[in-house]
This record gives sequence, C-alpha cells and structure tokens, in this order.
Amino acid sequence: NAGVTQTPKFRVLKTGQSMTLLCAQDMNHEYMYWYRQDPGMGLRLIHYSVGEGTTAKGEVPDGYNVSRLKKQNFLLGLESAAPSQTSVYFCASRQPGQGAYEQYFGPGTRLTVT
Amino acid sequence: DQQVKQNSPSLSVQEGRISILNCDYTNSMFDYFLWYKKYPAEGPTFLISISSIKDKNEDGRFTVFLNKSAKHLSLHIVPSQPGDSAVYFCAASEGGSTLGRLYFGRGTQLTVWP
Repeated sequence: NAGVTQTPKFRVLKTGQSMTLLCAQDMNHEYMYWYRQDPGMGLRLIHYSVGEGTTAKGEVPDGYNVSRLKKQNFLLGLESAAPSQTSVYFCASRQPGQGAYEQYFGPGTRLTVT
Repeated sequence: DQQVKQNSPSLSVQEGRISILNCDYTNSMFDYFLWYKKYPAEGPTFLISISSIKDKNEDGRFTVFLNKSAKHLSLHIVPSQPGDSAVYFCAASEGGSTLGRLYFGRGTQLTVWP
C-alpha cells in the first residue's frame, strides 16, 4: 500500500515549456487535490476533484489545468511554464463520509522554472 | 486574505519541555481543525484534529485546544523531543459544504534542542 505517490520528484523547466505532474493513490479515495507550497506561504489549493471525470478550481488555478480520467490518478498540467510557477507541488487525497477531513499527502514534486 | 493564521514563523524549545504552537482563524464557518507535521523533502502528515463541538483532543504527547469564542487553537507537545523538529501547519475546514476543502496557515518551524 503505497498511499499517494507523485511523479516526478524533481523537474527543471525553461520558461514556455510544458509538463504534466502525475499523482496516483491506491486508497480508492474519491477526492483528490493539488496544492503548491511557496516559502512562507503555506499550502495553497490549485485544483481539486470530487470524482472521476470531475475537476474544480481552487484558490490559485491560473496557469494550470487538471484531469481525472481514472479514479486513482489526478494530473496537473502546465501548458506554458513561468518562473512564478517555481514551487513545490503536493497532491493529496481523501475519502468523504468518514467523519473527518484529513487529507493524505504525497511526497511532493519540486519544480524550478528558469 | 488568509483565513488561517500562524503568526509565529518559528519556535525553539528545549527537549523535555512543552511546545505550544498557536493558530488563529477568521471564518466562523470552520467546524473542523487539523494539525499537520512536515519534515524537509517530505509531504505533510496528519497529526491530530479537533471538531468544533469539542474544546480539547488528546493523542499521546499531543493535545489540541480549541477556543471558539476567540477563534483560536493551539497544539501542545509534552514532552518535546528532538524528532518533533519540523514545520507544523494548522488547517481548517468548513466541512461538507465545501467538500472538505482545507485552508492552511503558513506554518511554524519548531526546533527542539537537546
């Protein structure tokens, strides 16, 4: 049981390049989330999904797109990377209806855009 | 505007003593509160939580106190250990109305020295 995994762990992009970050969870959770963490800023929600085929915007969605084609996977895309997207990206998942709201996080992807 | 605030970016405590981490919130609709712990190069891990119907929740060395009238919660760690050195994030949720979305504070770096 691997929990939440993220691919890749590190990536360096040049401005204007595109990439996709992959999140996978093996806990059969319905809800999945993408966050970014910047120094001194805490975690900010980018996009989230409440089920296969559904996505919604979070607090800082601009410049990102997401897809949830399979329940266990949640993809975060950057179509044209900008230096402002240099950050650590975390994926999380949660199963609703358990009476609690804790989310389970992956190990993160450190992205640098030059 | 941040709805969850951790006003102390850092805290240094001697091993064996009590660590008290504080968190304030502004949204009166928050009804569930969580603390996460984060080591460098790892994802946040859930530590302890409290529902708004309680004012205290204890789990081993960790106790969370909630003061709803003051919109304030605190995490007590007793006794503190060097392995507790990490960044601690406070988070809050409005519950089912927002699909369990979490709002995070900016974190407090706890250092426990021998």
